[in-house]
Amino acid sequence: SAVISQKPSRDICQRGTSLTIQCQVDSQVTMMFWYRQQPGQSLTLIATANQGSEATYESGFVIDKFPISRPNLTFSTLTVSNMSPEDSSIYLCSAEGGRELANYGYTFGSGTRLTVV
Amino acid sequence: DQQVKQNSPSLSVQEGRISILNCDYTNSMFDYFLWYKKYPAEGPTFLISISSIKDKNEDGRFTVFLNKSAKHLSLHIVPSQPGDSAVYFCAALERGGSEKLVFGKGTKLTVNP
Repeated sequence: SAVISQKPSRDICQRGTSLTIQCQVDSQVTMMFWYRQQPGQSLTLIATANQGSEATYESGFVIDKFPISRPNLTFSTLTVSNMSPEDSSIYLCSAEGGRELANYGYTFGSGTRLTVV
Repeated sequence: DQQVKQNSPSLSVQEGRISILNCDYTNSMFDYFLWYKKYPAEGPTFLISISSIKDKNEDGRFTVFLNKSAKHLSLHIVPSQPGDSAVYFCAALERGGSEKLVFGKGTKLTVNP
């Protein structure tokens, strides 16, 4: 399975500012995903990061708030823009892995714990 | 509307005993189910999966059972070990469809020595 390096691991940010989270995969993957986990909640998919095209956003998430880049098959960034305390969450990136083995064992980064004050 | 539900937020068992974590789903289009384990400050780690054409999949101490008619699956850990203490997430997807993982809220398992 792919190994994902995600950074920063945590940050405390002022409201109104933006934070960019980076994910580096150790192998080329077609699909990368960005999730948010709010306290006590499940992991919620924000968007699918597509290489060479715009990200596909889920209902309730928009590009202006969560711009995503996917410049190549091993790297993606998620920016949380104009942050408010409600954006305080854990943000996780994920990549497909193992589909060729038919187990759909998507791999996750270690997460970014964001606190907005 | 939660499509994947883990109704027990926490579970506590004694070392050596069986841990049973439950998961229910509502979307009949889901045909692949996965369990992830998450330690604090780490991302979820894939544990075991099952296709809808099966009713059981076993991997060492971990067994996942699927009851399609009840839209229910469970993860059995036997014997439970203190290192199994973590949050366990159930996830489902529709292969050939959106292929997006839909997660439950997780169950925090504590295995007491």
